[in-house]
Amino acid sequence: GEDVEQSLFLSVREGDSSVINCTYTDSSSTYLYWYKQEPGAGLQLLTYIFSNMDMKQDQRLTVLLNKKDKHLSLRIADTQTGDSAIYFCAEERGGYNKLIFGAGTRLAVHP
Amino acid sequence: SAVISQKPSRDICQRGTSLTIQCQVDSQVTMMFWYRQQPGQSLTLIATANQGSEATYESGFVIDKFPISRPNLTFSTLTVSNLSPEDSSIYLCSTNTRTSNYGYTFGSGTRLTVV
Repeated sequence: GEDVEQSLFLSVREGDSSVINCTYTDSSSTYLYWYKQEPGAGLQLLTYIFSNMDMKQDQRLTVLLNKKDKHLSLRIADTQTGDSAIYFCAEERGGYNKLIFGAGTRLAVHP
Repeated sequence: SAVISQKPSRDICQRGTSLTIQCQVDSQVTMMFWYRQQPGQSLTLIATANQGSEATYESGFVIDKFPISRPNLTFSTLTVSNLSPEDSSIYLCSTNTRTSNYGYTFGSGTRLTVV
């Protein structure tokens, strides 16, 4: 199976909150990232969290990290149609300087 | 954070030919990475390229198929050789920038279609 797992699809109503979940396997991961990919575009870094943190908030984005359970989540408050995209979580393996990506969660925002 | 210019943005190639993808970074970076994103899939690391040394390839990727050049600290190329339809993917380059932003910056990707 994949080292980083995400649910593949999430549908929310405009204005609601979206929560995208991710689990990873390597306890030595140092940084964990959330990237956004819009159709036909490259990857945009949304936010990251260092492994010694539990939470990070950046405007509408809140990242929660449960290191014991190796669970990462991204909450998007007041979700807008422009948030429709694929969201990838990625872990950076400690000392390896490379990212391991999840399969991506496709977020669909409807009126 | 670093800005990466990647080209071409897309190409359609005949099977058996090769495509070379270029990435130019606006600042000097130690490591550059090349990823493949197959249709509907996640990103898979192909190799890591350091200036002045051979690229390090991940399991399942070989230099003969994916030769990489890294002539200086701002530039790298990936060639996809002897193309087959299975090589149809998006290829992305990336670098990490230990600035206040942290994170890995990605090029805009090259969408390759092999016919």
